[in-house]
Amino acid sequence: DQQVKQNSPSLSVQEGRISILNCDYTNSMFDYFLWYKKYPAEGPTFLISISSIKDKNEDGRFTVFLNKSAKHLSLHIVPSQPGDSAVYFCAASSGGGADGLTFGKGTHLIIQP
Amino acid sequence: DSGVTQTPKHLITATGQRVTLRCSPRSGDLSVYWYQQSLDQGLQFLIQYYNGEERAKGNILERFSAQQFPDLHSELNLSSLELGDSALYFCASSSGGVYGYTFGSGTRLTVV
Repeated sequence: DQQVKQNSPSLSVQEGRISILNCDYTNSMFDYFLWYKKYPAEGPTFLISISSIKDKNEDGRFTVFLNKSAKHLSLHIVPSQPGDSAVYFCAASSGGGADGLTFGKGTHLIIQP
Repeated sequence: DSGVTQTPKHLITATGQRVTLRCSPRSGDLSVYWYQQSLDQGLQFLIQYYNGEERAKGNILERFSAQQFPDLHSELNLSSLELGDSALYFCASSSGGVYGYTFGSGTRLTVV
């Protein structure tokens, strides 16, 4: 039973445009959500997070939106840059992460010049 | 360099064998987490240690075990290996819950 789902295995976006990565979750106990970025042969690196008490968090070119009623979050990257090409993982936790993070399978973002 | 060191980077071994993966956390971090990423899968949480003690268990098989030593480095022991155990194994460290998670670059285990 996959509690965090990223339904798009890959996404291709033109440089300079907006990239929107989506994530759905089923566990209503999740109260903290994170996005990680992963390059080949490297570990995931933290990108941005959001608490369930908020519906938006922004950090530079990255914005995460949370829709609790739909159990959906999205990551917006604008403008998209070639260095953004990577695999993006959505992750969720409950209770401060006492049971670790639950990850989606990832979306491979390809930024085309 | 994330500050979390995992060794070895690559490991090839035969079915039925036992291996040990090592993780040195970022300086000052007391928590160590182990994750497994199989082909086309997200990262699956295996186990967490905090200051030498097991804190939480995820989808860890009985053939797998871990420990955290007084110097805070951690080892993940995988025994009676099967082909399906081939995966990337990531270690992450944190000073406080999920908010300051830092991952190592992983160990790629191939069981043949």
